[in-house]
This record gives sequence, C-alpha cells and structure tokens, in this order.
Amino acid sequence: EVQLVESGGGLVQPGGSLTLSCAASGFTFTTYWMTWVRQAPGKGLEWVANIKQDGSEKYYVDSVKGRFTVSRDNAKRSVYLQMNSLRAEDTAVYYCAVPGVDFWGHGILVTVSS
Amino acid sequence: DIVMTQTPLSLSVTPGQPASISCKSSRSLLESDGKTYLYWYLQKPGQPPHLLIYELSNRFSGVPDRFSGSGSGTDFTLKISRVEAEDVGVYYCMQSIQLPWTFGQGTKVEIK
Repeated sequence: EVQLVESGGGLVQPGGSLTLSCAASGFTFTTYWMTWVRQAPGKGLEWVANIKQDGSEKYYVDSVKGRFTVSRDNAKRSVYLQMNSLRAEDTAVYYCAVPGVDFWGHGILVTVSS
Repeated sequence: DIVMTQTPLSLSVTPGQPASISCKSSRSLLESDGKTYLYWYLQKPGQPPHLLIYELSNRFSGVPDRFSGSGSGTDFTLKISRVEAEDVGVYYCMQSIQLPWTFGQGTKVEIK
C-alpha cells in the first residue's frame, strides 16, 4: 500500500521557520519526482515545489522562491520542505504528492500567525 | 504562467443526470511528444485530491467509466455521464506541461 505521511506542521509566528517531512512507503521512491502542493483554508490547490529523483533539480512557485527549500533523502525515503521567513499567506494544508500517479499524503496544516 | 480557467464554479446536479465541467488554458497543453498534459482531480471534503483523468482522456485506475475527459489544445471538458451521490466534491483541472504547474479554481459539484 502506498503511503505518504507528512509531519512537522503547526503554528508559527510570521518570519519564523518550519520544516515539513514526508515519509514514503509502498512504492519505489527513487522512481519519482516528488511534489509539494498546498491549499489555503477554503481555497484551491497550489503547486509549491518539485524535486527530481536524485535531488539534482528543484523548482518552486515564485511566491516561495528564496524562502522555501525542497530536499530529499532517498536512503530514508523521505522528502522535506524547509520553510523560512514565513508569511500569513503561507497558511495552508501542505500535501506531499506524486500527482500524476495519484500518490498523496493526508496533508499537514501550517498556520502562520502571531 | 499558464492560467487555467474552469466553468462553472459550482454545479447542482440531479442524480442520474449528466454533468460537464469546462477548463480552458492560456496556452496549448499539447507537447511535442503527442501527449496533452491535462489532469482532472476530485477532492472530497477533508481528503486530498484524487486523480480521475490523466493526459487529457485516460481514466485512472479504478475510476468509473461514467467519467470521461476530452478536448484539445486549450479547451478541455470533464463529463460525468450519470452523476451519483458519491461524485460530490470539488473538481480541479491541472496542467503539467510547463512550470509552475497550475490548477483551475475548482468546480464544486453538489447533488440536488
């Protein structure tokens, strides 16, 4: 059974940092690009970042460039999203996913508020 | 960025009746490899999205055949031949031909 389990979310003050983790199981992790998608409360879906199988290529939506860093550890079958200089508009449920083959985590809530 | 525009934004359908959602992209999603990188997802309340259609018209594994995807270039349609109660939720189109990947605004489907 494919599983993607996010962790590390929570409440953080504006300007603060948080690192999300996503542990994968049930599929060949090194076969796939990994993706982070987020959804602000009551809003639609927004692609955040992609990372290639070997971590050599990373891409970000403009609104997080320079603040967020995606990484992966293939030995641990995990992908990470380090989020710095957080803003209120980063408040969202963050999903770890491989959208093209319908692998999705349950999502983890990040709330940026004072 | 490619803008994805869905219509309508909400839909109320009688069970057993058909439903159709339109998605238009600001540029062609047809790649040189012949594939059209257009996907349809359904998100039910409190759940992550679930893939229905990939690469324009291919039903994902386990998706009922009442769901179909069609279109070309910049104009796309998701059709449900006979809506069932379990089809309620928000439907999104998404393009992956160009970064950043972008989603439509979502179409909320309710049952009358």
